Amino acid sequence: QLQLQESGPRLVKPSETLSLTCTVSGGSISSSSYYWGWIRQPPGKGLEWIGSIYYSGSTYYNPSLKSRVTISVDTSKNQFSLKLSSVTVADTAVFYCARRLIVPATIDYWGQGTLVTVSS
Amino acid sequence: QSALTQPASVSGSPGQSITISCTGTSSDVGNYNLVSWYQQHPGKAPKLMIYEGSKRPSGVSNRFSGSKSGNTASLTVSGLQAEDEADYYCCSYAGSSTLRFGGGTKLTVL
Repeated sequence: QLQLQESGPRLVKPSETLSLTCTVSGGSISSSSYYWGWIRQPPGKGLEWIGSIYYSGSTYYNPSLKSRVTISVDTSKNQFSLKLSSVTVADTAVFYCARRLIVPATIDYWGQGTLVTVSS
Repeated sequence: QSALTQPASVSGSPGQSITISCTGTSSDVGNYNLVSWYQQHPGKAPKLMIYEGSKRPSGVSNRFSGSKSGNTASLTVSGLQAEDEADYYCCSYAGSSTLRFGGGTKLTVL
């Protein structure tokens, strides 16, 4: 059974860079059928797609976050990572990592999510 | 990149049917038959309920169905049960390998 687990600091200071890693178990991140990505959800609000990465390293980002987001992949560790720079309190959210079928563009597996708080 | 438009809330009594709409544009919902729907209970990760507009993953009740007309996709839940009370989100492919979510709809079972 595929499992995704987010890890990283739960508290980040304003203006700093938020960094999270997603470890994939029960399946290979190097499959040609999937993208791997991040979605966030501010407390009490809706879901926002952040971006995705293919195992080869090709990336796709939400245009509204593109200038601050970097997603990378480490196939040797079966992990992918998120960096969000210049964070503000508005970036406080539960961050989910997820698997996305390339065809038909569907997120089918989610991690449990991790709350990251931006505060001084 | 604006979110897809969903009603903030819908409600229905047990056994009844409800429909949640998801309105986008010709750049997303209207241009692709690639809308998925997710159910999210409090404190939990979203769960895939419908993909490709109307297909159900294995294990999802056939009380859940999806459709699309023009720029609007819809999720119908028939035979409402208490366990259906949750937040529901639509998500559409928006071209160039990007996705766009709706703002979410809170379903209350009266």
